[in-house]
Amino acid sequence: RKEVEQDPGPFNVPEGATVAFNCTYSNSASQSFFWYRQDCRKEPKLLMSVYSSGNEDGRFTAQLNRASQYISLLIRDSKLSDSATYLCVVGAGGSYIPTFGRGTSLIVHP
Amino acid sequence: ETGVTQTPRHLVMGMTNKKSLKCEQHLGHNAMYWYKQSAKKPLELMFVYSLEERVENNSVPSRFSPECPNSSHLFLHLHTLQPEDSALYLCASSQDLTTGAYNEQFFGPGTRLTVL
Repeated sequence: RKEVEQDPGPFNVPEGATVAFNCTYSNSASQSFFWYRQDCRKEPKLLMSVYSSGNEDGRFTAQLNRASQYISLLIRDSKLSDSATYLCVVGAGGSYIPTFGRGTSLIVHP
Repeated sequence: ETGVTQTPRHLVMGMTNKKSLKCEQHLGHNAMYWYKQSAKKPLELMFVYSLEERVENNSVPSRFSPECPNSSHLFLHLHTLQPEDSALYLCASSQDLTTGAYNEQFFGPGTRLTVL
């Protein structure tokens, strides 16, 4: 089983749609969780950290389910500019090296 | 200059060439990383430096040789590469190497390398 798994997609949605991505991780000792965004031919950039209680930033909501070992990202009212690859990143307890998922591609069309 | 910069942005080299990639961070961070990103694959961690000391070498072939002369600069020296080494090479930095929700990594724009 891969350490961090994501559905590569692509998810193809119309503007205004709500879309959700899941990411599963295998290491139960994982302690830190992030979502990064990577635009085509650009570097990854932090979108949001994921806290145990869940957190929201505008149209974006991130949640953590430790029992089932997954994190999720919900995007409401999708914009064309949301088109990108969303990378799930997990940091394991006792290790300072984060592990990246392969990313989920989102395409928002008019 | 702000953030993390990388030069060159694009590099084409033959298998017998020797070249170097440069990364510089202007964030006052203590940790720096080299990643390789190939098409359809997740980011592959190559090397990690903390306060100029290499703390992680992720089974990378010896044809890749990192160098960290100070906490702001990181180099990746390349020699006798193979065509399968063609990829986007990303440099990143973070405040330090502790785990936690605030250990955000800041990435440079990458060097797109093509080995002929």
